[in-house]
Amino acid sequence: DQQVKQNSPSLSVQEGRISILNCDYTNSMFDYFLWYKKYPAEGPTFLISISSIKDKNEDGRFTVFLNKSAKHLSLHIVPSQPGDSAVYFCAASGRTGNQFYFGTGTSLTVIP
Amino acid sequence: ETGVTQTPRHLVMGMTNKKSLKCEQHLGHNAMYWYKQSAKKPLELMFVYSLEERVENNSVPSRFSPECPNSSHLFLHLHTLQPEDSALYLCASSHATQGNTQYFGPGTRLTVL
Repeated sequence: DQQVKQNSPSLSVQEGRISILNCDYTNSMFDYFLWYKKYPAEGPTFLISISSIKDKNEDGRFTVFLNKSAKHLSLHIVPSQPGDSAVYFCAASGRTGNQFYFGTGTSLTVIP
Repeated sequence: ETGVTQTPRHLVMGMTNKKSLKCEQHLGHNAMYWYKQSAKKPLELMFVYSLEERVENNSVPSRFSPECPNSSHLFLHLHTLQPEDSALYLCASSHATQGNTQYFGPGTRLTVL
């Protein structure tokens, strides 16, 4: 059973607008969450992370929000740029072990 | 060279072949991982090595055999694969402390005929 879910396989946004990518998880033991960005023919690149002691983490145009009670996190990109077009994966890990659980990814297209 | 590198980038093999995938990290990490990415599926963790010892093996068929000779190198030995094993194989590394970010290589695109 999938513990991390990204229910939107794709998203299109106009350049300059906000992109919001969503991720849900089922395991309440997860306490560290990450977003990765992946271009075709490349491996995933780390983008931003958040631990469960926070509900928001910001890095430039990227902000991750964590709602622990809803077991939901989201990635906001403002303003969106054409170079942001990629597949975005969310991942989660628990308090023990080295295992990360990944979602299936959301393909973001930013339209110029 | 920096980061995580993987060779080869592309591999086509028959079901009776034996081949190996190589991963090398230049980040000073001491944990390394193999993942499989199939179309429309989440990344599947295959193996984890922490401090050169295998700590996770997620029910991977024995036709996949990992090797970690030191903290910088990781291999995935392949033999008698099936067409359904065709996928992108990604290597990652991190510090062994729990919760640390994993950094990925570019992957090897494997096709089994």
